[in-house]
Amino acid sequence: DVKVTQSSRYLVKRTGEKVFLECVQDMDHENMFWYRQDPGLGLRLIYFSYDVKMKEKGDIPEGYSVSREKKERFSLILESASTNQTSMYLCASSPPLTGTMNTEAFFGQGTRLTVV
Amino acid sequence: GEDVEQSLFLSVREGDSSVINCTYTDSSSTYLYWYKQEPGAGLQLLTYIFSNMDMKQDQRLTVLLNKKDKHLSLRIADTQTGDSAIYFCAEDPYNDYKLSFGAGTTVTVRA
Repeated sequence: DVKVTQSSRYLVKRTGEKVFLECVQDMDHENMFWYRQDPGLGLRLIYFSYDVKMKEKGDIPEGYSVSREKKERFSLILESASTNQTSMYLCASSPPLTGTMNTEAFFGQGTRLTVV
Repeated sequence: GEDVEQSLFLSVREGDSSVINCTYTDSSSTYLYWYKQEPGAGLQLLTYIFSNMDMKQDQRLTVLLNKKDKHLSLRIADTQTGDSAIYFCAEDPYNDYKLSFGAGTTVTVRA
């Protein structure tokens, strides 16, 4: 069974702390993504990676960075957490698109981060 | 980014059909998706449609695509309590799986 695992379901951090959100997938997928989910806004892409050590900014990268040292692991880093980063964070992975063959993105269960 | 729009809430009686509507913005999207999120869970792919199709049926699910109006709908027949969830419409405007999601429609099934 395919699996994307996020290390924490719930986190509470203080303003200014450095926060690491970890995501591991066991499907040998090239693509990995970090989204944040907020009510009324849906999912917004923060960062994505197409390969080890590759990273590209999504739609809302400000205040975040990422690390992909190994294919199976994609980490989201909040350098200095702020209250407006309180949100649900979702990690996803997918194999690369090949021609017209559709592929599915698999999502983790999410990490609900509260910054106080 | 692109704006995918969908209504936020839908209440439906058990056994009735549910119709969730979505408008998307980029006609170059090869695939359009419906994802389901149950309470406390991540998103799960429900179904998808290829852009050269008008309709796709998969058991209780029917997806209709109107490319001219950039309108996508999901119909759930014989809605059950287990269908209560948030449903997200998503497009892939650059065909690289950087999905653009709508805000999500919360479907509540009442007895």
